[in-house]
Amino acid sequence: GAGVSQTPSNKVTEKGKYVELRCDPISGHTALYWYRQSLGQGPEFLIYFQGTGAADDSGLPNDRFFAVRPEGSVSTLKIQRTERGDSAVYLCASSSNRAGTGELFFGEGSRLTVL
Amino acid sequence: DAKTTQPNSMESNEEEPVHLPCNHSTISGTDYIHWYRQLPSQGPEYVIHGLTSNVNNRMASLAIAEDRKSSTLILHRATLRDAAVYYCIHYMDSNYQLIWGAGTKLIIKP
Repeated sequence: GAGVSQTPSNKVTEKGKYVELRCDPISGHTALYWYRQSLGQGPEFLIYFQGTGAADDSGLPNDRFFAVRPEGSVSTLKIQRTERGDSAVYLCASSSNRAGTGELFFGEGSRLTVL
Repeated sequence: DAKTTQPNSMESNEEEPVHLPCNHSTISGTDYIHWYRQLPSQGPEYVIHGLTSNVNNRMASLAIAEDRKSSTLILHRATLRDAAVYYCIHYMDSNYQLIWGAGTKLIIKP
């Protein structure tokens, strides 16, 4: 597709379960971001990839959160032992430019609900 | 911490210009200012960005103060489809982070 694709669009899970959220960026985009957004708040930075490597993972809240981008394209955000506080919309964005100097293209997000 | 400050909400009449203010007093010389907007249940959408000079594109204009501590997003003729939350974002060149605030909810009255 032409835009950033995120799957699943909705995920309901139980506390303590493991969750994977996938992001397909726009083809050729080297920069990829993950954000988390709670209701009524702006997006909160989680991690930024430039190519295959995580250039900045300082936004990951704790070691239950991990993200990979093994081939420099698709990225997966992994959450272990989910907690109710992890419930949020997880947004992915990609860009062809060096971070922050150009337009970010966002997906529609994956809404995670932890019961 | 880098931070942007925006009004929680603003109202405007349809087909009138809208000026959305943003303060970013901690900005440094190499940090960009970005604006995005977000409609309900959608991901954010890019509007415009700039560094020092005023910028124009098909969606909006960005007026940046001479000291760069504030900026104004200008929608020249608001339509109902412009109703959204508008985020003023400070891009920190030092650590590649985009620092988002809570945004301004723009309400357009017909």
